[in-house]
Amino acid sequence: GENVEQHPSTLSVQEGDSAVIKCTYSDSASNYFPWYKQELGKRPQLIIDIRSNVGEKKDQRIAVTLNKTAKHFSLHITETQPEDSAVYFCAARIGHNAGNMLTFGGGTRLMVKP
Amino acid sequence: EAEVAQSPRYKITEKSQAVAFWCDPISGHATLYWYRQILGQGPELLVQFQDESVVDDSQLPKDRFSAERLKGVDSTLKIQPAELGDSAMYLCASSGTPGSAQYFGPGTRLTVL
Repeated sequence: GENVEQHPSTLSVQEGDSAVIKCTYSDSASNYFPWYKQELGKRPQLIIDIRSNVGEKKDQRIAVTLNKTAKHFSLHITETQPEDSAVYFCAARIGHNAGNMLTFGGGTRLMVKP
Repeated sequence: EAEVAQSPRYKITEKSQAVAFWCDPISGHATLYWYRQILGQGPELLVQFQDESVVDDSQLPKDRFSAERLKGVDSTLKIQPAELGDSAMYLCASSGTPGSAQYFGPGTRLTVL
């Protein structure tokens, strides 16, 4: 099955700096890659996603890049703010039919210091 | 904005007892998922429903876990008997179709003593 590895496990940045989180996946058939933000005690929230027919997607301060050849994708947060502090999870999915599950990475705890 | 609802939010039980969790997906979402999230780890899929049918329960410990979605809307996940290792956050998610984005509920945090 699919295996997703996420790095780093913790990341500390100064407010205003950029943060980058990287994920690698094992199955080249994966074609959908969402990112979730989970604040302490709260639900995972979808913040951005990308499909394999696109190399990059941007939404305000958040962007995701995908390298299908190398089988890795990254989350980029610019101009970080204290409210960006949370655990971020990447995920990968093979196909889009019933039975195609999301496989999550282990998470990155991002701390933005004021 | 519509959200996935779950109850209870917290459950404390003793081992060997039965527990049940309830999930109400976003209205109109045909696909429903139950995940288990151990502290410090990413969610792991337990079972996926398409309408009232199970399409993937390969990771569900069927000797003690069961899930149903009788009318294709809300769903119940049951554990009987609960074991110490079942302590975790149980998350429900839904999507309009199997290929579309998944939206999570607030979860039920289970503690087994």
